[in-house]
Amino acid sequence: EIVMTQSPATLSVSPGERATLSCRASQSVNNLAWYQQKPGQTPRLLIYGASTRATGIPARFSGSGSGTEFTLTISSLQSEDFAVYFCQQYDNWPATFGQGTEVEIK
Amino acid sequence: EVRLVESGGVLVQPGGSLRLSCSASGFSFSSYGMHWVRQAPGKRVEYVSAISTSGTTTYHADSVKGRFTISRDNSNNTLWLQMSNLRPDDTAVYHCVKGGCSRLACWFDSWGQGTLVTVSS
Repeated sequence: EIVMTQSPATLSVSPGERATLSCRASQSVNNLAWYQQKPGQTPRLLIYGASTRATGIPARFSGSGSGTEFTLTISSLQSEDFAVYFCQQYDNWPATFGQGTEVEIK
Repeated sequence: EVRLVESGGVLVQPGGSLRLSCSASGFSFSSYGMHWVRQAPGKRVEYVSAISTSGTTTYHADSVKGRFTISRDNSNNTLWLQMSNLRPDDTAVYHCVKGGCSRLACWFDSWGQGTLVTVSS
């Protein structure tokens, strides 16, 4: 199965700053999604198809990358964006998930 | 609004059986692949099972193959996960998840709150 590795494990960012999160696949994939999860809440789909924003997701969230290297960028962090973010490949069965990156307030 | 409500999670002894249910509303249930994933404390999300729109195609992760069975009832908008021969490492919150498209290989656009399954003696 494809192993998804995210970095860094924790990212300390000040409100208004840019955050860049990475997700690496152990082999090339075409289909990648990003999710946001806050404590006590279910994951929220942000990005699918590596770069397509889900319905209702603000434009400050963007996804990019291909092959084995993918990036989620939050252009200007808002207070509500501090959360855990994880990636998922759904190219190959079974779909597999990264371990998550926690974005915390600096 | 999409709603996915799971039920059936309890404390069960190793080797025991359990059936999880997911009641779906707010969308055309029969048009989407449906999935179960699980999340143990401190661990990454793990894929468990998937079922096609019609229910004729199912997939199970190797870790649960032969022990878990996914099924659905499109007339009642319900998804199930029959779990047997449970092991302590099956302990997790189990989420019912809606695929974002009709294919099984798809992103997940809605997650239920989950139901806790604890396997312990």
